[in-house]
Amino acid sequence: QVQLVQSGAEVKKPGSSVKVSCKASGGTFSSYAISWVRQAPGQGLEWMGGIIPIFGTANYAQKFQGRVTITTDESTSTAYMELSSLRSEDTAVYYCARDNSSGYYSLLDAFDIWGQGTMVTVSS
Amino acid sequence: QSVLTQPPSVSGAPGQRVTISCTGSSSNIGAGYDVHWYQQLPGTAPKLLIYGNSNRPSGVPDRFSGSKSGTSASLAITGLQAEDEADYYCQSYDSSLSGRVFGTGTKVTVL
Repeated sequence: QVQLVQSGAEVKKPGSSVKVSCKASGGTFSSYAISWVRQAPGQGLEWMGGIIPIFGTANYAQKFQGRVTITTDESTSTAYMELSSLRSEDTAVYYCARDNSSGYYSLLDAFDIWGQGTMVTVSS
Repeated sequence: QSVLTQPPSVSGAPGQRVTISCTGSSSNIGAGYDVHWYQQLPGTAPKLLIYGNSNRPSGVPDRFSGSKSGTSASLAITGLQAEDEADYYCQSYDSSLSGRVFGTGTKVTVL
């Protein structure tokens, strides 16, 4: 059974960057798209963007264009999300999530497997 | 501000049936894009409950069902149980935003 294991909690200063990792284990990595979804404290879910490792091209939500970069390392079955120019409003739990279809990247798909979440706190 | 609107909360007694609505527009649900539903228990990651409007992943009880009509979708929970107390989110695609969108979320309380 595929599992997504994320890196640990981070505390960052405003204006800095954070890079969160998401390592897949127990199954195929390259043919499934991975997205990043965040959840601010007490708030709802927000899609940030996604990537399918076999193609390598990322797609980002308009809100985060220019500030987020999503990449993958197929050799370690790991996806990364880097968010720059951090501000206090970026304080949230960041989740990676896998699409439920393989071999292509469709923004119409559901997320069937989720990482455990990574808390990122932005504070001076 | 989410483009998919859900009621903030719904409640029901054990054994009852509750429904959660997810209202969108012509650029998302009304355009024919699939709706998916997630359950999020306190302090945990979301879990896929319904995909493709009405399909249940393996292991999800048949007490949960989904439907879609026009610019809205609904999640129904029948035979409500204490363990169903959680937050529920709908999700779809929006062509105006060219991206995936989530609903505002609904907290289900079992009385």
